[in-house]
Amino acid sequence: DARVTQTPRHKVTEMGQEVTMRCQPILGHNTVFWYRQTMMQGLELLAYFRNRAPLDDSGMPKDRFSAEMPDATLATLKIQPSEPRDSAVYFCASGLSGRSYEQYFGPGTRLTVT
Amino acid sequence: ILNVEQSPQSLHVQEGDSTNFTCSFPSSNFYALHWYRWETAKSPEALFVMTLNGDEKKKGRISATLNTKEGYSYLYIKGSQPEDSATYLCASQGGGADGLTFGKGTHLIIQP
Repeated sequence: DARVTQTPRHKVTEMGQEVTMRCQPILGHNTVFWYRQTMMQGLELLAYFRNRAPLDDSGMPKDRFSAEMPDATLATLKIQPSEPRDSAVYFCASGLSGRSYEQYFGPGTRLTVT
Repeated sequence: ILNVEQSPQSLHVQEGDSTNFTCSFPSSNFYALHWYRWETAKSPEALFVMTLNGDEKKKGRISATLNTKEGYSYLYIKGSQPEDSATYLCASQGGGADGLTFGKGTHLIIQP
């Protein structure tokens, strides 16, 4: 049963610290997405990659957030320095690009910045 | 409509009753409409992806319709069961881009 995996599942950190979240997409999927879920905004797209190339990161605060895909099996989302307003659940999703295709979500990383 | 909007925000339904809720989305530059089911403490689970005006999709007791000209989609649940309790999200995909714009969801509670 192929699934998107994310680590860590929970992270508590102090303001100013660096946070790195990792995602392993479903094997064979060529598109990877990062979404953030907050009570106020709901689910928001932060960035996404196709064939490891970043296609859109307009939803991401550029000064502190960065997203990369070092290889086809790993996507990372880094926050440096973290702030309390970054507290949210961060979801990774993957899919196989086509005319219309499903995105499969991972379990999320719940981040709390104190 | 600039954003994806869902109504109602929450809904209480008696077990066995049928129900439906609405998703409104920008009709210009439309590409696809997605429905997801999201249970507490789990990941959103894809239900349907629809692209064509008049599309109707069905999975068991759940079905969805799409009107791309006026920018709305309905999700129907027939004979609600307690396991249908979840938040139902719709998301619009526009302009050939892959990223989704989500609504805030309809929180459905089925009362035994």
